[in-house]
Amino acid sequence: QKEVEQDPGPLSVPEGAIVSLNCTYSNSAFQYFMWYRQYSRKGPELLMYTYSSGNKEDGRFTAQVDKSSKYISLFIRDSQPSDSATYLCAMSGVYNFNKFYFGSGTKLNVKP
Amino acid sequence: DAGVTQSPTHLIKTRGQQVTLRCSPKSGHDTVSWYQQALGQGPQFIFQYYEEEERQRGNFPDRFSGHQFPNYSSELNVNALLLGDSALYLCASSLPGQGGKTEAFFGQGTRLTVV
Repeated sequence: QKEVEQDPGPLSVPEGAIVSLNCTYSNSAFQYFMWYRQYSRKGPELLMYTYSSGNKEDGRFTAQVDKSSKYISLFIRDSQPSDSATYLCAMSGVYNFNKFYFGSGTKLNVKP
Repeated sequence: DAGVTQSPTHLIKTRGQQVTLRCSPKSGHDTVSWYQQALGQGPQFIFQYYEEEERQRGNFPDRFSGHQFPNYSSELNVNALLLGDSALYLCASSLPGQGGKTEAFFGQGTRLTVV
């Protein structure tokens, strides 16, 4: 079993839709949770960073962490064609500085 | 701010050869981590360097080795290349958990093709 599971998609939505992306994990030691966006043949770009449980909002993006269920989500409101990319969740523990465990990524396509 | 820079961007090597990839971290960052991303997969942690020493290592064989220089830049070396080493190699730089934050910024990667 992988430590981080993520549905690979692809997920196709019309412009303006609300997008929900999710990851589950098995290691209860994870405390830091990140979402990265990766365009084709580019490096991952940090979108959201959350410590422990709770919600965090930044513009059209909202990250949620439910540690009791070992489940994290990223919501994108008013999705745009420019949001079309692969979204990677990543997480790490307190004592393993910057050793991230990534999901396999969900490919999102926002249609005009 | 130049961000994280990696070189070269693309590389083609033959099985059995050796390769060296290079990374310059974001200004002010002193920790460098290397990841391997196979096509259609998420990045896999190879190792991390801080204060010129390997601090953590993922599940990669000894053919993968690295180095960090006093200016915090880093190299990833892979010996005896296999076809399965073909991947995007990503460098990430960060501060070592300062203030509880572990944000890591990635470079654009080096795409290695082994033929």
